[in-house]
Amino acid sequence: EAQLLESGGGLVQPGGSLRLSCATSGLIFNIYDMSWVRQAPGKGLEWVAGIRANGVETFYSSSVWGRFIVSRDNSRNTLSLQMSALRVEDTARYYCVNGLRISGGWGRGTLVTVSS
Amino acid sequence: DVVMTQSPVSLPVTLGQPASISCRSSQGLVYDDGNTYLNWFLQRPGQSPRRLIYLVSKRDSGVPDRFSGGGSGTDFTLEISRVEAEDVGVYYCMQGTHFPLTFGGGTRVDIK
Repeated sequence: EAQLLESGGGLVQPGGSLRLSCATSGLIFNIYDMSWVRQAPGKGLEWVAGIRANGVETFYSSSVWGRFIVSRDNSRNTLSLQMSALRVEDTARYYCVNGLRISGGWGRGTLVTVSS
Repeated sequence: DVVMTQSPVSLPVTLGQPASISCRSSQGLVYDDGNTYLNWFLQRPGQSPRRLIYLVSKRDSGVPDRFSGGGSGTDFTLEISRVEAEDVGVYYCMQGTHFPLTFGGGTRVDIK
């Protein structure tokens, strides 16, 4: 069974940066597109970013475009999300998701809090 | 962006009775490859979301057959034939056809 384990969340000031990671196991990572999805406290789900299996093509929501960068290391089976120019409204639990158009397995998420 | 509109927002149900959730997209969801990328997820209290249905009507492994998905074009439905206690949570539809991908606002299902 696929395991997705996010890390890197924490408290950061507005305007700051943070890098999230997702370590995967139990799946052939380099054949899967991957996504990041977030959920603000008490709110619904918001797709944030996605990346093709070969890492060449990336996609972003309009709310994070130009501030977040999604990347992957297929040799280490890891997915990353570099977040910069963070805003209070970026506060959320960030989930690593196996898949893009057909989003499959989800991790437990890592909590990012943007506050002064 | 494609807007996904779910209804109802809240759905109190009686155990053993059927339930139905609607999801409407602001654009058609048929992709160039002929597939319709419409997924349904359930988020139980305190848990990560779990996919139940993909490609409109395909049930994930381990999902009880009381769950069924249907629809086409811009109108989609998730149906539960007989609600059980473990079905409580928030249901989300999600379209994977057009970037950026988008979710519906969610439907909270609880027991009357």
